[in-house]
Amino acid sequence: GDSVTQMEGPVTLSEEACLTINCTYTATGYPSLFWYVQYPGEGLQLLLKATKADDKGSNKGFEATYRKETTSFHLEKGSVQVSDSAVYFCALLSGGYNKLIFGAGTRLAVHP
Amino acid sequence: DGGITQSPKYLFRKEGQNVTLSCEQNLNHDAMYWYRQDPGQGLRLIYYSQIVNDFQKGDIAEGYSVSREKKESFPLTVTSAQKNPTAFYLCASSRRDREKEHGYTFGSGTRLTVV
Repeated sequence: GDSVTQMEGPVTLSEEACLTINCTYTATGYPSLFWYVQYPGEGLQLLLKATKADDKGSNKGFEATYRKETTSFHLEKGSVQVSDSAVYFCALLSGGYNKLIFGAGTRLAVHP
Repeated sequence: DGGITQSPKYLFRKEGQNVTLSCEQNLNHDAMYWYRQDPGQGLRLIYYSQIVNDFQKGDIAEGYSVSREKKESFPLTVTSAQKNPTAFYLCASSRRDREKEHGYTFGSGTRLTVV
C-alpha cells in the first residue's frame, strides 16, 4: 500500500543553518504531497503542498519539490530560526482513497 | 473565522470509564477524521466519515466508537475496551472535492490521560 518514509530525528541545528528533511513515498497513481508542521502542544498546520510532478511548494521560507523520478518531496530552508523548532510531517493523499497518509514525523530543534 | 474546535484540551479519565472527545467544525467540510498520536509514532487513523450518518474504521478502531449525526460534529468515544488510551487525539476535516489542493484542516487536539 501507499506509504511515506521520513528521516529520523531529532534534527538539531544552530540558528541560520540550512535545513533538509528527507521524505520519500510509495504510491500508485499521482498523489498530492504535503508538509505539515506541529508546534508543541498544538495540532497540525499545513506548511506547503504540491499536486503534480515538478511542482514546488513554498511557504515561510520553506520549499519542497515534487520529484516523481525519485519519489521524493524533501523539505528545505536556507536559514532556520529558533521559532522553526517543531515536528514536521510529510504526507501524501492517494487519489484513489482521499486519505492522508503520514510519515512518522521529524523533530527539529534550533538553538540560538 | 472558520475552523475546527476540539474540547477539552486536557482530559483525565479513570480506568474502566468511557469518555467522549468533542470535535466541531464550521468550515462546511464533508469529511471528518480522528487520529491518535503517540510519541515518536506519527499519526494513526482511528475513524473517518465522508458524509452524515456514515463512517468507516481506520487502522486502529478497536476500543473506539464514533457518530456523525450532524455535518458539523464528529465525537469520538474512547471506551473501556481501549487498553492503552493515553495519547494525543487530533480531529481533522476536509472538503471532499478539494482535498488534493488543500489537504486536511486540523483541530488543536485533546490530550487524554488515564489515571
